[in-house]
Amino acid sequence: SQQGEEDPQALSIQEGENATMNCSYKTSINNLQWYRQNSGRGLVHLILIRSNEREKHSGRLRVTLDTSKKSSSLLITASRAADTASYFCATDTGRRALTFGSGTRLQVQP
Amino acid sequence: SQTIHQWPATLVQPVGSPLSLECTVEGTSNPNLYWYRQAAGRGLQLLFYSVGIGQISSEVPQNLSASRPQDRQFILSSKKLLLSDSGFYLCAYERGGAEETQYFGPGTRLLVL
Repeated sequence: SQQGEEDPQALSIQEGENATMNCSYKTSINNLQWYRQNSGRGLVHLILIRSNEREKHSGRLRVTLDTSKKSSSLLITASRAADTASYFCATDTGRRALTFGSGTRLQVQP
Repeated sequence: SQTIHQWPATLVQPVGSPLSLECTVEGTSNPNLYWYRQAAGRGLQLLFYSVGIGQISSEVPQNLSASRPQDRQFILSSKKLLLSDSGFYLCAYERGGAEETQYFGPGTRLLVL
């Protein structure tokens, strides 16, 4: 299976609710990143958390990292319809390229 | 500011035809460059990456090849397309130095018929 795997595969919530997505990985990492992709578009970087960090915030985003469990979570608070997109985690293991998971498709109903 | 361009945006090609997708980056020097393929509803599969002109690393054996003729130009090619080459192709760059974030182009949607 992939280095980074997101859970759930799909998530549907109402506007104003919080959305939580999880990512698990298998090998040691230097950092873990979250990206967002609107349908049919390129990916946009959201946030990077290093292996020695446990939590990071950026606006309505909160990312946690548990290296002992090899997992990360992305929390989007007070979701908006515009947050509808696919969200990917990507791990940096020190090789020259990131390894992406298969993503979580988030649908925020207005 | 940096920008990344890909073209064409959409391409429909017959099986057995050649392919050339182009990616260019502006506003940064000596970037690391990447080609990914994304199947419908799936994650990204790394195809090639390049750390400099003429330096190409391939991640998976396949029908495709890549070239980097200039510092900020990355080309994905095929001599004969297969049906399985259909997908969404994304180019990305990473600024040199300690930068760890990748910046993606808008992608090319390829349909091989």
